[in-house]
Amino acid sequence: GAVVSQHPSRVICKSGTSVKIECRSLDFQATTMFWYRQFPKQSLMLMATSNEGSKATYEQGVEKDKFLINHASLTLSTLTVTSAHPEDSSFYICSASSDRDGYTFGSGTRLTVV
Amino acid sequence: AQKITQTQPGMFVQEKEAVTLDCTYDTSDPSYGLFWYKQPSSGEMIFLIYQGSYDQQNATEGRYSLNFQKARKSANLVISASQLGDSAMYFCAMREVNFNKFYFGSGTKLNVKP
Repeated sequence: GAVVSQHPSRVICKSGTSVKIECRSLDFQATTMFWYRQFPKQSLMLMATSNEGSKATYEQGVEKDKFLINHASLTLSTLTVTSAHPEDSSFYICSASSDRDGYTFGSGTRLTVV
Repeated sequence: AQKITQTQPGMFVQEKEAVTLDCTYDTSDPSYGLFWYKQPSSGEMIFLIYQGSYDQQNATEGRYSLNFQKARKSANLVISASQLGDSAMYFCAMREVNFNKFYFGSGTKLNVKP
C-alpha cells in the first residue's frame, strides 16, 4: 500500500531556532498533502493544505509566517517551524493524498522546544 | 457547527465482545468520504476503514465494519471480537471532496479489558 515517510520522528530544539519537518510519499505521487498538529490527548487540528506547485492554504488562526509549508514536488512537502518557542511544542503529522479516496499518514514528529 | 462529532470520550469493552464507536458528521458537500483511524500511544495514524458518500453498501474490513446511515449522517464503527491490541484512540474523519477539506473528530479512547 501507499507509504508516507515523515522525519524526524522526534526533535528537540532551542527556543528561537527553526525546525524543518519532511513528509515524503514513497510509492505514489501526492497531489495534496495535509499538515496537522495534535496536542496531548486531543484530536488532530488541520493546520494547512498544500497542493504541489502552489501556495498552501492555511486554516484560520494558523500563522503563515511561523509555519512555512513548501510542496515543491509531488513526493515531498516540508513544514518549517520558524523561530520556535516552547508553546510550539506538539505532535505534528502529515498526510498525503494520491486520489479522491486514498489518504496515508506519516508517523508523526514530536517537537519539543526548550 | 462541528463537522465531526464523537460523543464518547472513553469506552470500555470486554475482550472478545463487539463494540460500537459513534460518529456523526455535518456537511453540505454532496460528495464526501468517511474514515476511521486508530492511533496507538506511539502516535501513528492507522487507517481502518473508508465509506464513500455514494457507496450503497456498508464498508467492511476484517473485524471492522462501518454502519453508514446517510439520512442520520452517522458513520459508526463496529469492532467485532475485540482484542487487547485494539486498545487505542479512535478517530472518525471526513473529507469534503469538492471543498478539499479533511476534518477529524475529537476521538474515543477504547480500553479492552481482559
